[in-house]
Amino acid sequence: ETGVTQTPRHLVMGMTNKKSLKCEQHLGHNAMYWYKQSAKKPLELMFVYSLEERVENNSVPSRFSPECPNSSHLFLHLHTLQPEDSALYLCASSQAGGGGYTFGSGTRLTVV
Amino acid sequence: GENVEQHPSTLSVQEGDSAVIKCTYSDSASNYFPWYKQELGKGPQLIIDIRSNVGEKKDQRIAVTLNKTAKHFSLHITETQPEDSAVYFCAASKEVSDYKLSFGAGTTVTVRA
Repeated sequence: ETGVTQTPRHLVMGMTNKKSLKCEQHLGHNAMYWYKQSAKKPLELMFVYSLEERVENNSVPSRFSPECPNSSHLFLHLHTLQPEDSALYLCASSQAGGGGYTFGSGTRLTVV
Repeated sequence: GENVEQHPSTLSVQEGDSAVIKCTYSDSASNYFPWYKQELGKGPQLIIDIRSNVGEKKDQRIAVTLNKTAKHFSLHITETQPEDSAVYFCAASKEVSDYKLSFGAGTTVTVRA
């Protein structure tokens, strides 16, 4: 157990569906991140929340909508996705002032 | 922004041999360089990191070297074992706490028994 838990582990959704990915960290960190991992590509930073405030939105399409209700929870709301959005979505957390990221195991998303 | 290039993209080694992965970065202001290991079905895990005031760091069979002048850093795994098979990512940022970690594309390491 890495201390960062993501649910669900796998998700198949149609292009007209609405779904949400959930991330929870038990490490007392104060920053949380969403990354997209596609085959043969570097990890792509999508969103950053620091102290529950969004500090980075890396030109992500509006069909992805993040939510950070508190420092332990992070959501990624999905709607009207495209097949090219199929990927592994990783959540990570960190503590400002030191240390690297702790990643969750990811949600494998398939858009059909 | 920072651009991190990682080579090779795949690496196959005989068990017991050494493995070396190299990364270059573009932003001379970068001073924190972590390495992550991602096993199948899991998220990346931090295995070692190095800061710009240090040229080399070791942790058992893993070592990382940094050449700030040439803007490249490398991961060395000695006496490789089957459990070292994974995807390895290098990354760079300007501060340890900087959320803007730039990742390399990854190296798939396979250790042959």
